[in-house]
Amino acid sequence: ELKVEQNPLFLSMQEGKNYTIYCNYSTTSDRLYWYRQDPGKSLESLFVLLSNGAVKQEGRLMASLDTKARLSTLHITAAVHDLSATYFCAVVRPIIIQGAQKLVFGQGTRLTINP
Amino acid sequence: GAGVSQSPSNKVTEKGKDVELRCDPISGHTALYWYRQRLGQGLEFLIYFQGNSAPDKSGLPSDRFSAERTGESVSTLTIQRTQQEDSAVYLCASSYLGGNLPYEQYFGPGTRLTVT
Repeated sequence: ELKVEQNPLFLSMQEGKNYTIYCNYSTTSDRLYWYRQDPGKSLESLFVLLSNGAVKQEGRLMASLDTKARLSTLHITAAVHDLSATYFCAVVRPIIIQGAQKLVFGQGTRLTINP
Repeated sequence: GAGVSQSPSNKVTEKGKDVELRCDPISGHTALYWYRQRLGQGLEFLIYFQGNSAPDKSGLPSDRFSAERTGESVSTLTIQRTQQEDSAVYLCASSYLGGNLPYEQYFGPGTRLTVT
């Protein structure tokens, strides 16, 4: 059974600081997603990581994937208040229907950035 | 273009009642997923539809939960004899099985279900 664990689950930080969210998963996968969720809203896709060593950056967020360690990181640089949200990683696993895939989600990291 | 839509956005029901939740996927998306998100938790996979294939129901938590989809259009998730533990946000997602990133899922806004 695929398990996905994030840490920390809660993170409160000051604007301007750097921090990293970690996502560990238990079995091999060929795709990992990072999503953002604002309170009361749906999920917004941030990054999809497809291969070992993949690194993607968008603004102050950078995501990386180490498939050998089964670890992905989401790094926040010089945080700003607008980045306050809950961040989820999700790992793709095949499901019964051939070619289909489902997402197994981490618990989420609730990030609060204080002005 | 239009994204995934869900209705109702909020539903409050009494314990023991049946509820129906609706999902309209993005036009042209043949795959449709239902997830449940309990308060403060990640998303749990419930069921997957792909075209006219038999759905993957492996995530449904009990036989009180069922879902239908007509072709490649609207899906309804039905919860019978609701219990308080069914209170959650139910999210629908759809995906297109082509292009550079097949299976990338696009999520709807969710239906917040509260069972009193």
